[in-house]
Amino acid sequence: SQQGEEDPQALSIQEGENATMNCSYKTSINNLQWYRQNSGRGLVHLILIRSNEREKHSGRLRVTLDTSKKSSSLLITASRAADTASYFCATPSSGNTPLVFGKGTRLSVIA
Amino acid sequence: DAGVIQSPRHEVTEMGQEVTLRCKPISGHDYLFWYRQTMMRGLELLIYFNNNVPIDDSGMPEDRFSAKMPNASFSTLKIQPSEPRDSAVYFCASSLSAAAGEGYGYTFGSGTRLTVV
Repeated sequence: SQQGEEDPQALSIQEGENATMNCSYKTSINNLQWYRQNSGRGLVHLILIRSNEREKHSGRLRVTLDTSKKSSSLLITASRAADTASYFCATPSSGNTPLVFGKGTRLSVIA
Repeated sequence: DAGVIQSPRHEVTEMGQEVTLRCKPISGHDYLFWYRQTMMRGLELLIYFNNNVPIDDSGMPEDRFSAKMPNASFSTLKIQPSEPRDSAVYFCASSLSAAAGEGYGYTFGSGTRLTVV
């Protein structure tokens, strides 16, 4: 069953603009992670945010977590064509259990 | 470390044939996962191992699927007999823990694209 669901399913922006992707999940979590997948490649871990954190930054990435709304957002600032990829949120279903992934947001950054 | 290594990258086989997918995890990672990715269902966890022992295989779709991890550096996923609906990209991933809460996440291989005709 899907733990996280990303929104929107697809997003197209111009280079230099910001991209925001959202993730909603169903059960209580201890961490939420974001991954990127380039076409034809495996997923790459971007950032992890723990349940006691509200915001986290890594380079041009900003992640927020609202546990009361069971939602997270990933913001990519000053997007580049190389950011074109699918982005997935993932959470363990409970405790130390494997990650369950959403279906992803396909981001296209147009140069 | 060269990362998680999967082989083959592409596999085309006829219905009814046996298919074996291979994975070499990152050295020192205690957990290994097999996922399947399709457009319709997204990423589905098939099975995972901890220290070479299968922990949960409830995601394996049918008895036609089997997975083994004979040692810490090698795992296989076998489909026998294969069917067209098995066509998908199969990923192997490894990590330090199941929930990857240390902050490093899962390391994925490049996947095997399986086409059953």
